[in-house]
Amino acid sequence: DSGVTQTPKHLITATGQRVTLRCSPRSGDLSVYWYQQSLDQGLQFLIQYYNGEERAKGNILERFSAQQFPDLHSELNLSSLELGDSALYFCASSVSGRGADTQYFGPGTRLTVL
Amino acid sequence: AQKVTQAQTEISVVEKEDVTLDCVYETRDTTYYLFWYKQPPSGELVFLIRRNSFDEQNEISGRYSWNFQKSTSSFNFTITASQVVDSAVYFCALSEAGSARQLTFGSGTQLTVLP
Repeated sequence: DSGVTQTPKHLITATGQRVTLRCSPRSGDLSVYWYQQSLDQGLQFLIQYYNGEERAKGNILERFSAQQFPDLHSELNLSSLELGDSALYFCASSVSGRGADTQYFGPGTRLTVL
Repeated sequence: AQKVTQAQTEISVVEKEDVTLDCVYETRDTTYYLFWYKQPPSGELVFLIRRNSFDEQNEISGRYSWNFQKSTSSFNFTITASQVVDSAVYFCALSEAGSARQLTFGSGTQLTVLP
């Protein structure tokens, strides 16, 4: 158990809908990262937050947004969902958000868009 | 830009065989960090090891060992006396000290250990 929690574990929804994925980092970690794992794209970085502020952005679509709250939990919002958004979404956390940090991953949320 | 290549898509071995998973990386940073993660069939990503670019010592942890060679930009992972429980997808990843603090992952190697 990494100490990172993600809810829900599974999510099934329809095209055009909006969903919210939630992540709680390990105790003491200030930085949260979101990654998407799909069969065609592999594991891709989406976005990073550090202590409530956006720190880095990767290949995140405009239909996707995220935030980190004062209690350090984070939410990833996916809207106008398309079939191609079906994937495993991981949250990871680290102490300080630096490249030297080890990132610990949550169990993931498996999103299926029908 | 940084890049990680895991050329072996799938490897199949019989239990008790040794197996080496290859990882080659590209980066322009002089300070960077290399990682291996394991993804068992249950789907979670489990951290195995982190290596700093300025520390080329090889590391051994039980049946696992890692060979870091800056000269060939490689960070290979060897499992000795493999077991069925080692069956998983293994990912090599890179992060940099500069702006690219996020992990860049290789495409993964599916290891199947047969009884």
